[in-house]
Amino acid sequence: SAVISQKPSRDICQRGTSLTIQCQVDSQVTMMFWYRQQPGQSLTLIATANQGSEATYESGFVIDKFPISRPNLTFSTLTVSNMSPEDSSIYLCSVGRGRPSYEQYFGPGTRLTVT
Amino acid sequence: AQTVTQSQPEMSVQEAETVTLSCTYDTSESDYYLFWYKQPPSRQMILVIRQEAYKQQNATENRFSVNFQKAAKSFSLKISDSQLGDAAMYFCAYRSADTDKLIFGTGTRLQVFP
Repeated sequence: SAVISQKPSRDICQRGTSLTIQCQVDSQVTMMFWYRQQPGQSLTLIATANQGSEATYESGFVIDKFPISRPNLTFSTLTVSNMSPEDSSIYLCSVGRGRPSYEQYFGPGTRLTVT
Repeated sequence: AQTVTQSQPEMSVQEAETVTLSCTYDTSESDYYLFWYKQPPSRQMILVIRQEAYKQQNATENRFSVNFQKAAKSFSLKISDSQLGDAAMYFCAYRSADTDKLIFGTGTRLQVFP
């Protein structure tokens, strides 16, 4: 497994602003992912964060709205841009080793509320 | 496209008793993995158990075991000797063998009563 931390753990933001969420892992991992969990809902994969190249986005998610960086094998950021109340969700980082990842381990999540 | 269905939004069990959470999935693939994750109120998603589709033997992790019925596309989780700390949302998830993407069900909220 891996020890994963996320910052911030929660935030309340105003409509139209942007928030950057950080994900830090205690050891090098092959794969890093970002998921969204809307209130009372299940988890949906936003994108795979690729080290040294552009992230791979799932259908319905675009880079302009959710830019992602992954400068090395232990760190990634997700930015939620031009926020609206519909972006209020929990955003979770997950990591895996190998490709494809045999198992994924999740961070504690960031609870975002947009007013 | 693959789908995962959890038909029980909520379940409850008495401490020390056994409870089974249901999960069905739809896929045309023969090689895949299935998972149960636990999400307590703290939000931390915890991997409970994993099952490889090519394995006939049901996975077991201490008090947690699965009943994997490949032909029926069913993957239920049995929790034995339930404890108060088992109270959480439980998510069933599917992953194709050649991708990283986890597809989650809608979850089952488990309550444990003393």
